[in-house]
Amino acid sequence: GQNIDQPTEMTATEGAIVQINCTYQTSGFNGLFWYQQHAGEAPTFLSYNVLDGLEEKGRFSSFLSRSKGYSYLLLKELQMKDSASYLCAVRDPVGGGGNKLTFGTGTQLKVEL
Amino acid sequence: KAGVTQTPRYLIKTRGQQVTLSCSPISGHRSVSWYQQTPGQGLQFLFEYFSETQRNKGNFPGRFSGRQFSNSRSEMNVSTLELGDSALYLCASSLSEDFPEQFFGPGTRLTVL
Repeated sequence: GQNIDQPTEMTATEGAIVQINCTYQTSGFNGLFWYQQHAGEAPTFLSYNVLDGLEEKGRFSSFLSRSKGYSYLLLKELQMKDSASYLCAVRDPVGGGGNKLTFGTGTQLKVEL
Repeated sequence: KAGVTQTPRYLIKTRGQQVTLSCSPISGHRSVSWYQQTPGQGLQFLFEYFSETQRNKGNFPGRFSGRQFSNSRSEMNVSTLELGDSALYLCASSLSEDFPEQFFGPGTRLTVL
């Protein structure tokens, strides 16, 4: 099975940098996703890591360490619109292939002035 | 390119009834996954369909079922509704295993009274 842990809530200041951590204990691993979900809206894709290291995409970066079962999402130059829930999800290595994702419960980020 | 569409957006049913939800994936996407989202449990995987075949299944009772048509559109059905089935049901489509990024639809908000 999969167990994914991430902080429930975080608060940060506009213009600052925030790091949202995600740890996972899984029976297998085939990649890790980060999604952003604003209240009342659908999740939107932020990043996908399958190899160790840092992936940078504009103000957002995601890091993965498979040996440690650890990932983080780094948000730079925070804006008020970044206030949302951030979901970490592990892709299961299902034998028949496929895209089964197990999600963490999400980290609610609040950006303040 | 149009995004993932889901119908209906809102639905109210009573216990014991059944319901069918519909999802149209992004054009060209052949994989459709369904998720249930509740405040307590977060996003939970229901099942995935690829080329009209169920490829993966989550840990939900047999009351939850689905299918996929030749045009990749998918439906999910819940029979004998229970109060605990009240949730946001999200559909996500992806291009293939090599491009596992999932694009989510706006969801169907189901309320069971």
